[in-house]
Amino acid sequence: AQKVTQAQTEISVVEKEDVTLDCVYETRDTTYYLFWYKQPPSGELVFLIRRNSFDEQNEISGRYSWNFQKSTSSFNFTITASQVVDSAVYFCALSAYSGGYQKVTFGTGTKLQVIP
Amino acid sequence: NAGVTQTPKFRVLKTGQSMTLLCAQDMNHEYMYWYRQDPGMGLRLIHYSVGEGTTAKGEVPDGYNVSRLKKQNFLLGLESAAPSQTSVYFCASSYSNRGRNEQFFGPGTRLTVL
Repeated sequence: AQKVTQAQTEISVVEKEDVTLDCVYETRDTTYYLFWYKQPPSGELVFLIRRNSFDEQNEISGRYSWNFQKSTSSFNFTITASQVVDSAVYFCALSAYSGGYQKVTFGTGTKLQVIP
Repeated sequence: NAGVTQTPKFRVLKTGQSMTLLCAQDMNHEYMYWYRQDPGMGLRLIHYSVGEGTTAKGEVPDGYNVSRLKKQNFLLGLESAAPSQTSVYFCASSYSNRGRNEQFFGPGTRLTVL
């Protein structure tokens, strides 16, 4: 069974602060993929990043960075120098090819509010 | 290139009424999905399709039916709407189902059942 836990339901930060969104996952698959999606107030989910289970290299993209640690089953997302445009709900997701189809499990989301 | 589109954007139904939500994608994706999003529960998979003419049940299929008569379209039907089906519905598509491909989402349909 797959499970994704985003323990932080809502986070509020003041603009320019750094913020880390936590994601902890459970799976028995040895090959799997982790994703982060952003859902702005407009509603549409937007893909941010993918990481496979064999690649623990951290990634930085502009103000965004991701820390993948298999030892703790975590895939955390950090926004540096947050901006108001970062206000959104962020979803972590786990994907594995199992039983003939792509099984995707989403976390419950973390709502980030960046206050100007 | 419109990506994934959904029709309608909003709908209000009375209990017992039926309706069909339409999803269309222009990316030639094989795989399509219907999710519902409820507060505090994330996205839950209702039904999915691995190709034209094939569909399968997801996590919460009861009360819904789907059809994939054309590769680009994936329809979600509610035969007899219930208040418990009040939700935001998202359609998504992906290039493959090997696990590694991200899903592309539509803008959502907000459905209220009175």
